[in-house]
Amino acid sequence: KNQVEQSPQSLIILEGKNCTLQCNYTVSPFSNLRWYKQDTGRGPVSLTIMTFSENTKSNGRYTATLDADTKQSSLHITASQLSDSASYICVVRGGMDSSYKLIFGSGTRLLVRP
Amino acid sequence: NAGVTQTPKFQVLKTGQSMTLQCAQDMNHNSMYWYRQDPGMGLRLIYYSASEGTTDKGEVPNGYNVSRLNKREFSLRLESAAPSQTSVYFCASRSQGVSEGFGPGTRLTVT
Repeated sequence: KNQVEQSPQSLIILEGKNCTLQCNYTVSPFSNLRWYKQDTGRGPVSLTIMTFSENTKSNGRYTATLDADTKQSSLHITASQLSDSASYICVVRGGMDSSYKLIFGSGTRLLVRP
Repeated sequence: NAGVTQTPKFQVLKTGQSMTLQCAQDMNHNSMYWYRQDPGMGLRLIYYSASEGTTDKGEVPNGYNVSRLNKREFSLRLESAAPSQTSVYFCASRSQGVSEGFGPGTRLTVT
């Protein structure tokens, strides 16, 4: 079954600290992996998108890594800010059918405290 | 450029009532999608429209219908609302080579 699992479910860190969020997937065939940020009461916003051949991609203080062999990805946030408080969702595009299919993780809820 | 817009933002329905959620995008995207988001779960695809004039079922289509009115608009209809349809609904759009843009969501409660 195609699945995307994220850990931890929630995380609290102090402002200025770094953190890493994890994503494991069992989606096959694999097309790409995305990380989204979702602020409370808003829709998800894309942070990064990585294909099979990409290992690392950065977007400001956000750095995503992908290991397609172990089917793992991580999102590293550097020097966290209060505005980083949000849910971070790992999404994998793939599946066996021909339709366009995204499989969403349930997200990691991050709270950055002053 | 508003991106993806959704109306209404909030709605409360009684069991058995009907309603239509509206979605519009101004990015000239070909594909549009309706998702629902429930606590502790990832977004799940209800219906999608790969291009104007076509619609297809997603993962959880039961109890819903859709209309791709034109390239810009994609509506989701609940004919007879049930408490299990209490959720946050997101519309999204994309074109080839571009990540999805999501709307702000509609928070629906069915009592």
